[in-house]
Amino acid sequence: DQQVKQNSPSLSVQEGRISILNCDYTNSMFDYFLWYKKYPAEGPTFLISISSIKDKNEDGRFTVFLNKSAKHLSLHIVPSQPGDSAVYFCAASDPLSNFGNEKLTFGTGTRLTIIP
Amino acid sequence: DGGITQSPKYLFRKEGQNVTLSCEQNLNHDAMYWYRQDPGQGLRLIYYSQIVNDFQKGDIAEGYSVSREKKESFPLTVTSAQKNPTAFYLCASNPGRKNQPQHFGDGTRLSIL
Repeated sequence: DQQVKQNSPSLSVQEGRISILNCDYTNSMFDYFLWYKKYPAEGPTFLISISSIKDKNEDGRFTVFLNKSAKHLSLHIVPSQPGDSAVYFCAASDPLSNFGNEKLTFGTGTRLTIIP
Repeated sequence: DGGITQSPKYLFRKEGQNVTLSCEQNLNHDAMYWYRQDPGQGLRLIYYSQIVNDFQKGDIAEGYSVSREKKESFPLTVTSAQKNPTAFYLCASNPGRKNQPQHFGDGTRLSIL
């Protein structure tokens, strides 16, 4: 049973436009959400996170939105740049795990391609 | 520069052999984690450790073992009992406090000869 889902395996966006990556979750107890960016043969790089007490968090070109009633979060990248081409993973933290909040459940990733 | 170092980057194993993947961090983080990534899938948690000399099983611990004798080091052994060991293995760490993101090394790709 996949608790964190990224239903779009791939997304292509024109350079300079907005990229919107989506993520849905089923566990209403998740209280902290993160986005990671991953290049081939490298480890994921942390991008941005949001606590469940907020509905928006912004960091430069990256904004994460959280809709708790819909159990949905999204990552907006504006403007998109060629260096943004990578696989993006969303992850959620389970506060009921036996070591606090740091058990992360990952989605399967969305491959973003920025077209010059 | 602080970070997480995984070695080797590529590793080949013969059937029936145990292999150990290294993970070292100089971030002074208390918590460390091992994940496995398979093609088209998300990361799955193998083992984690919140402090030295303590570690817990994750979701897919069968066929793996770990140790945490030093704060900086969290080696993962893939034993011969692991039926499908070919994968990309990622080590991560974080301070261990609430709402602190995990930071990852660059991974080790393990292949069976």
